[in-house]
Amino acid sequence: GENVEQHPSTLSVQEGDSAVIKCTYSDSASNYFPWYKQELGKGPQLIIDIRSNVGEKKDQRIAVTLNKTAKHFSLHITETQPEDSAVYFCAAWGDTDKLIFGTGTRLQVFP
Amino acid sequence: KAGVTQTPRYLIKTRGQQVTLSCSPISGHRSVSWYQQTPGQGLQFLFEYFSETQRNKGNFPGRFSGRQFSNSRSEMNVSTLELGDSALYLCASSLNPAKEAFFGQGTRLTVV
Repeated sequence: GENVEQHPSTLSVQEGDSAVIKCTYSDSASNYFPWYKQELGKGPQLIIDIRSNVGEKKDQRIAVTLNKTAKHFSLHITETQPEDSAVYFCAAWGDTDKLIFGTGTRLQVFP
Repeated sequence: KAGVTQTPRYLIKTRGQQVTLSCSPISGHRSVSWYQQTPGQGLQFLFEYFSETQRNKGNFPGRFSGRQFSNSRSEMNVSTLELGDSALYLCASSLNPAKEAFFGQGTRLTVV
């Protein structure tokens, strides 16, 4: 069935450094790729998304890139801050007509 | 604009009981999806409702059911609760299927 793999499972960076989280999807028909940030005790928050007709999208310190040929997409956070610490999930929407989530990445930003 | 509202936030139930969780989507959103989140399995899709019809279903037993009302509010029900049903249950609403989905805070269910 459709699968989304996410790496790494944990990521620790120094404040001000960049963080990159990568996801690979199996369904070549997938055409929508959102990223969510989940803080402790809260529901996932949509932070950025990309559709298959675009290769890159930026929103301030956050960017997402998509490589449809290789079937992978990545989240890039620049100039990280302690408040970026959270669990990040990637997801893909494809032929199964539902969002399939990656297993999450726990990002820790140390001051 | 109010976000997605889930009630209750916390629930403690005994094995064998049943439970009903509620989700009020963002105003104007017609699609509501439910997910189960556990440390071991991550975010697992339960089902999606659109215009009062179940349009998709995940791989969960029949003890898990849901419905959607004409005002787009949705409920999910779990019957004959098992210890393994302890999880955070999340609801997400979107304007239409395959559009941006926004999550509520979730309902933390503990089965003892």
